[in-house]
Amino acid sequence: QLQLVESGGGLVKPGGSRRLSCAASGFTFSDYYMNWFRQAPGKGLEWVSYISIGGATVHYADSVRGRFTISRDDARNSLYLQMNSLRAEDTAVYYCVLAAANYWGQGTLVSVSS
Amino acid sequence: DVVMTQSPLSLPVTLGQPASISCRSSQSLVHRDGNTYLNWIQLRPGHSPRRLIFKVSKRDSGVPDRFSGSGSGTDFTLKISRVEAEDVGVYYCMQGTHWPPYTFGQGTKLEIK
Repeated sequence: QLQLVESGGGLVKPGGSRRLSCAASGFTFSDYYMNWFRQAPGKGLEWVSYISIGGATVHYADSVRGRFTISRDDARNSLYLQMNSLRAEDTAVYYCVLAAANYWGQGTLVSVSS
Repeated sequence: DVVMTQSPLSLPVTLGQPASISCRSSQSLVHRDGNTYLNWIQLRPGHSPRRLIFKVSKRDSGVPDRFSGSGSGTDFTLKISRVEAEDVGVYYCMQGTHWPPYTFGQGTKLEIK
């Protein structure tokens, strides 16, 4: 059964860092590109970052470029999002997503507050 | 970036009645490969987001056949033939033709009257 399980969320101070992880199972992880999306409280869905099969190509939303880094470890069937210089507006539930929204994890909440 | 505009933003529906959500894009979503990458995403309380429809009208595995998608170019519609209590939630259209970035509509909140 296909599963995407995010972890690493929590309360972070403005300017701080956090690393999100996503453990994938039930499919051949290395065969798929992956994305991170997010939903801020009371707001809609927003795409955050993309990583290609193999990891050679990455893309970022303008709002996170230069602060967030997406990566993957195919040997561990895992996706990561390193978030630096966090801001209050980064507060959101972050979702690990298979390809272009095919399947979503349950999400992990990141709260940025002093 | 492609702007996606949904209507209505709030949709009260009587159980067993049909419902329809419109989504319009700021430019044609026909990709140079001939496909139209328009998805419908469902967010239900207590559940992970779920893709219902991809490429305008293709239902994902396990999605009830009361859900259907239609449209072309810049105008798309999600229809629920008979609303059930479990359909309560927020529905988003999402385009994957002109990316990055993937972009979403504002969301339509479906509730039971």
